Amino acid sequence: EAQVTQNPRYLITVTGKKLTVTCSQNMNHEYMSWYRQDPGLGLRQIYYSMNVEVTDKGDVPEGYKVSRKEKRNFPLILESPSPNQTSLYFCASSLRGGSMREQYFGPGTRLTVT
Amino acid sequence: DQQVKQNSPSLSVQEGRISILNCDYTNSMFDYFLWYKKYPAEGPTFLISISSIKDKNEDGRFTVFLNKSAKHLSLHIVPSQPGDSAVYFCAATQAYSGAGSYQLTFGKGTKLSVIP
Repeated sequence: EAQVTQNPRYLITVTGKKLTVTCSQNMNHEYMSWYRQDPGLGLRQIYYSMNVEVTDKGDVPEGYKVSRKEKRNFPLILESPSPNQTSLYFCASSLRGGSMREQYFGPGTRLTVT
Repeated sequence: DQQVKQNSPSLSVQEGRISILNCDYTNSMFDYFLWYKKYPAEGPTFLISISSIKDKNEDGRFTVFLNKSAKHLSLHIVPSQPGDSAVYFCAATQAYSGAGSYQLTFGKGTKLSVIP
């Protein structure tokens, strides 16, 4: 089954404790992206990657890191989480070319930073 | 500055009637528009899209209309069904302008409730 998976689905952590949210897709997509969804703000892009070893900042990259060492994986790293990073996070992927704008989203990771 | 605006946070419609969800954009460089649907506890799923070279695109019960001069698009659902109850996000991109085509800009979403 074609899908984007994220782990963990739920995470409660404390300020300053480094964490990684994993994202993996099995569709051989070149493009991957991370979004956060907050009440009243919709979906905002954090980082995106056009292919292996190619990443770029989205609209709200502060406090986040990403890496793209393999095509299928695109982990999101919070080196020192803060309460304002409490949010619902989505990973997405798509093909390059004609259908690349139609992104496939993972189920989401709800992060709470206390 | 919010480039994609969905000014109605919520909408209630009777089953069988038409649902009309609206979206406005300010960036004249946007040339490709998408609608996503999101159920609770799930990721958004792609619904329908339209290129700026068209003014209408239809897929079953879903039709998207684009008015470029007004920088406005709308999603029509006819007839509305209870299973359509979800949050609908409008998104836009610069599909044909190189680097910009890799980024989607989303609106805040409209929660549609279809009442049986």
